[in-house]
Amino acid sequence: SAVISQKPSRDICQRGTSLTIQCQVDSQVTMMFWYRQQPGQSLTLIATANQGSEATYESGFVIDKFPISRPNLTFSTLTVSNMSPEDSSIYLCSVGAGNEQFFGPGTRLTVL
Amino acid sequence: GQQVMQIPQYQHVQEGEDFTTYCNSSTTLSNIQWYKQRPGGHPVFLIQLVKSGEVKKQKRLTFQFGEAKKNSSLHITATQTTDVGTYFCAISSGSARQLTFGSGTQLTVLP
Repeated sequence: SAVISQKPSRDICQRGTSLTIQCQVDSQVTMMFWYRQQPGQSLTLIATANQGSEATYESGFVIDKFPISRPNLTFSTLTVSNMSPEDSSIYLCSVGAGNEQFFGPGTRLTVL
Repeated sequence: GQQVMQIPQYQHVQEGEDFTTYCNSSTTLSNIQWYKQRPGGHPVFLIQLVKSGEVKKQKRLTFQFGEAKKNSSLHITATQTTDVGTYFCAISSGSARQLTFGSGTQLTVLP
């Protein structure tokens, strides 16, 4: 199993600003994943963060908007840049262990 | 990439009634996973199915994978208020085993 923490748990931000979300795992993992869950919707994969290389982004997500850092095997950050109200979502990080994925508690972002 | 359709979107049941959610794909799946997300919580892994026709049970929950590996279902017998939440199916694929989620079924259990 894996225990994942995220900071902040929630934030309210002004449009045009940026927010960096931190994800900490209690064990070393190769891959970390970042998902977005818009209000009342399912989860959508933003990118896969592999330690030591650039993150791989899914269709519709770009590095300029969602830069990711992966400085070591237990930590990653996701920045939501130049925010607009459409970025209001829950952002979750996750890691895989065996067949399952473990999710962090999420960061609830509201953009005014 | 592969996609999976999930129905129904919402389901309201009286406590004690049964509940079923379905996931369907137009392509053959190598596996399917099920997650539960409680209100205000994060998704929690329930199970993975990989074999054609596979049936697995966890107490009151029964998971099935179709013979053609294109559909799956989650059935809850005699629902309880603790079953409230959104149930997602998901496909694990790619070298990193990233997940593609279905749209989810939000279950409400009325006492």
